[in-house]
Amino acid sequence: DAKTTQPTSMDCAEGRAANLPCNHSTISGNEYVYWYRQIHSQGPQYIIHGLKNNETNEMASLIITEDRKSSTLILPHATLRDTAVYYCIVPYSGAGSYQLTFGKGTKLSVIP
Amino acid sequence: ETGVTQSPTHLIKTRGQQVTLRCSSQSGHNTVSWYQQALGQGPQFIFQYYREEENGRGNFPPRFSGLQFPNYSSELNVNALELDDSALYLCASSLGGEETQYFGPGTRLLVL
Repeated sequence: DAKTTQPTSMDCAEGRAANLPCNHSTISGNEYVYWYRQIHSQGPQYIIHGLKNNETNEMASLIITEDRKSSTLILPHATLRDTAVYYCIVPYSGAGSYQLTFGKGTKLSVIP
Repeated sequence: ETGVTQSPTHLIKTRGQQVTLRCSSQSGHNTVSWYQQALGQGPQFIFQYYREEENGRGNFPPRFSGLQFPNYSSELNVNALELDDSALYLCASSLGGEETQYFGPGTRLLVL
């Protein structure tokens, strides 16, 4: 299963764009990149996922490099409520099931 | 559309006891996954159920077992509780064959 590497923590000023990087150099051609976030003591929240093209939804944008070895999650206008741990995940597919392997993620602190 | 719900929200047990946690999947989803999240760590995959059958298991001992019912709700049972079983237990539902999982709020278990 493809491993991901993320910075331990980042700060972002309120109202500015938050850019969260992730490396997934061992990703294979048909594996998606997923992003979840977890606000303190709550269940993880799905944000966005992508294969090779850039994706955007109401929460965020996902930029995937052409070689697919890294990606960046962009929160265009960070608010205090975006303070959370952000997880970049390449789901493991084995025996017909998809397993999410969570690392330590990036703790994003949005500062007033 | 109803989201994933879990019960109870909090639970205190003593070492050696048994516990049952419950999860109702999101409307239309037929797959349920369970995760354990120790304090300060990312969630760890326990197992997944698809159409009432176990469909993948993580590195957890047999005293962790589960069930899925015809309405796709699920139970997680843990026998012979140990102190290290204290954690947030998360349930996630998905549509079989798709990777996107949606999480419930979790059950916080404390073993004394």
